[in-house]
Amino acid sequence: KAGVTQTPRYLIKTRGQQVTLSCSPISGHRSVSWYQQTPGQGLQFLFEYFSETQRNKGNFPGRFSGRQFSNSRSEMNVSTLELGDSALYLCASSLARTGELFFGEGSRLTVL
Amino acid sequence: SQQGEEDPQALSIQEGENATMNCSYKTSINNLQWYRQNSGRGLVHLILIRSNEREKHSGRLRVTLDTSKKSSSLLITASRAADTASYFCATPGVPSQGAQKLVFGQGTRLTINP
Repeated sequence: KAGVTQTPRYLIKTRGQQVTLSCSPISGHRSVSWYQQTPGQGLQFLFEYFSETQRNKGNFPGRFSGRQFSNSRSEMNVSTLELGDSALYLCASSLARTGELFFGEGSRLTVL
Repeated sequence: SQQGEEDPQALSIQEGENATMNCSYKTSINNLQWYRQNSGRGLVHLILIRSNEREKHSGRLRVTLDTSKKSSSLLITASRAADTASYFCATPGVPSQGAQKLVFGQGTRLTINP
């Protein structure tokens, strides 16, 4: 069974631009969570989607948004990029609400 | 604020030695998980221990859970160079934290020296 796939793996943007990251969960997984990882803040929860509905949202500004499609694939978007948005963005899928998370390799975003 | 806090923040040992990492958490939980992350990569699930379990084994890994002390430990026996990674404990989110699925600690960076 294929794992969680995130694209792109690496990207460089400049301040003010926007970016869209994609995540394809493991087949059959309907829950997708997104985390931001930085050296200073560690792993910070962004949001969770289940069956196309956002179930939970972390403490991030409205510039961070996401969605989930009917095939459970998810995208997150960051608008008006800031230098501090440089991070590794991790997507994870799961079967059960409190069960094991399966992570993708992440999308490393660098904002110049 | 973090639910889980790992200790130590960094650990460096010789290959073949055992490595022990600790995690403390603040609220009651029904399970606790440990994950490993190789540098710049995604996290990999290692083990889940439920609140009614005191100890669990998986290969060279041994996890203990003490709910009275709100703490857990991860022991890696006979360490190998490939065990070099960051290790995170994770607990279910609580309503004050937005009911996120899992809350991760800051991690322990383990280095195995050949």
